[in-house]
Amino acid sequence: AQKVTQAQTEISVVEKEDVTLDCVYETRDTTYYLFWYKQPPSGELVFLIRRNSFDEQNEISGRYSWNFQKSTSSFNFTITASQVVDSAVYFCALSEKGGSNTGTASKLTFGTGTRLQVTL
Amino acid sequence: DSGVTQTPKHLITATGQRVTLRCSPRSGDLSVYWYQQSLDQGLQFLIQYYNGEERAKGNILERFSAQQFPDLHSELNLSSLELGDSALYFCASSVAPRANSPLHFGNGTRLTVT
Repeated sequence: AQKVTQAQTEISVVEKEDVTLDCVYETRDTTYYLFWYKQPPSGELVFLIRRNSFDEQNEISGRYSWNFQKSTSSFNFTITASQVVDSAVYFCALSEKGGSNTGTASKLTFGTGTRLQVTL
Repeated sequence: DSGVTQTPKHLITATGQRVTLRCSPRSGDLSVYWYQQSLDQGLQFLIQYYNGEERAKGNILERFSAQQFPDLHSELNLSSLELGDSALYFCASSVAPRANSPLHFGNGTRLTVT
């Protein structure tokens, strides 16, 4: 069964600090997909990024970067020069392809989330 | 704005009652998912539909049911409500029910059972 672990329950940083959110996953599939979602205080879940298991290139998008390492089953998320608006709960999630090519369920298994608090 | 619309935003009801949550997926998305978010259980997958047909079931109670209509909107029905059903219920949609399809979530319906 698939599992996602976000060991950091809560992180507090001061604005402009860099912060890394950890995500470790478990899966028996060779093809799978990893996601990060942001849940700001307003409550909605916002999709940030998707990474395929066969693509280990790191990705940078502005102040956000993601480090995917299959060897350690980790998909960590770094925010550079954090801002107050980054305060939110961040969820890592995993989806397995499974054995079917007909488009089976793509349910996401979420981690428990990391609450990031950025203060002035 | 994800393009997924959920109504109502808030719902307060008493134990034993029945409620219906409604979801309109993003334009062009055929697959709809329901998730429950509670403090003790986190984000739990309930059920998935694709083009009107049920595709997968997660941790959905027998008291709960859902359907997707021909116009692709979906409804989640919760009956015989208990205090423990109080949670934030999210609907999400994707173009297709493939593992690599990002889910786009609505703003959720906050259900409070008193």
